[in-house]
Amino acid sequence: SQQGEEDPQALSIQEGENATMNCSYKTSINNLQWYRQNSGRGLVHLILIRSNEREKHSGRLRVTLDTSKKSSSLLITASRAADTASYFCATDASNTGKLIFGQGTTLQVKP
Amino acid sequence: DTEVTQTPKHLVMGMTNKKSLKCEQHMGHRAMYWYKQKAKKPPELMFVYSYEKLSINESVPSRFSPECPNSSLLNLHLHALQPEDSALYLCASSQSESSYGYTFGSGTRLTVV
Repeated sequence: SQQGEEDPQALSIQEGENATMNCSYKTSINNLQWYRQNSGRGLVHLILIRSNEREKHSGRLRVTLDTSKKSSSLLITASRAADTASYFCATDASNTGKLIFGQGTTLQVKP
Repeated sequence: DTEVTQTPKHLVMGMTNKKSLKCEQHMGHRAMYWYKQKAKKPPELMFVYSYEKLSINESVPSRFSPECPNSSLLNLHLHALQPEDSALYLCASSQSESSYGYTFGSGTRLTVV
């Protein structure tokens, strides 16, 4: 079964707007990761946040983690058409390599 | 070299065929993974190799047989597949299990006819 659930399932915004995606998970985790996938190609690692971290930034990306609520959010600021993709959260509960992906959010950024 | 290379990019095979998917990385990563992804679904973990040894098999049918000949190579041998096995097969690697982000290949699009 998949560990992470994401919402919304689909998001459509205009270029320049911010996009926020949420991820909830069920068990305790060691870290949570976010990935981007462009139309059926390989996934690209965006950011990893460890269980003892609350917020992390990378360029236009901001990730938060709330372990008490078992949830994370990914914020993409000043979105661009090139940000159009599917975004997945993934969690590792055991440091064994068992990285489990959420259902994903499909983001469309209109020029 | 910061890539994971998968070959072939596309594969069409009959249900009686035997084929292999190949994955290669030269980043010195010691963990490698096979994932299966159906259309509009998230990737599903199949196998994990750590230091060239199989550490996780997610109850994958025996018609899928992984092999790790050395620290840079990962193969997935396919035999007697079913049409429902048609999917995108993704290989990934990481420095070690899960504490670092994974680097994914661009996948092999497999169609079983």
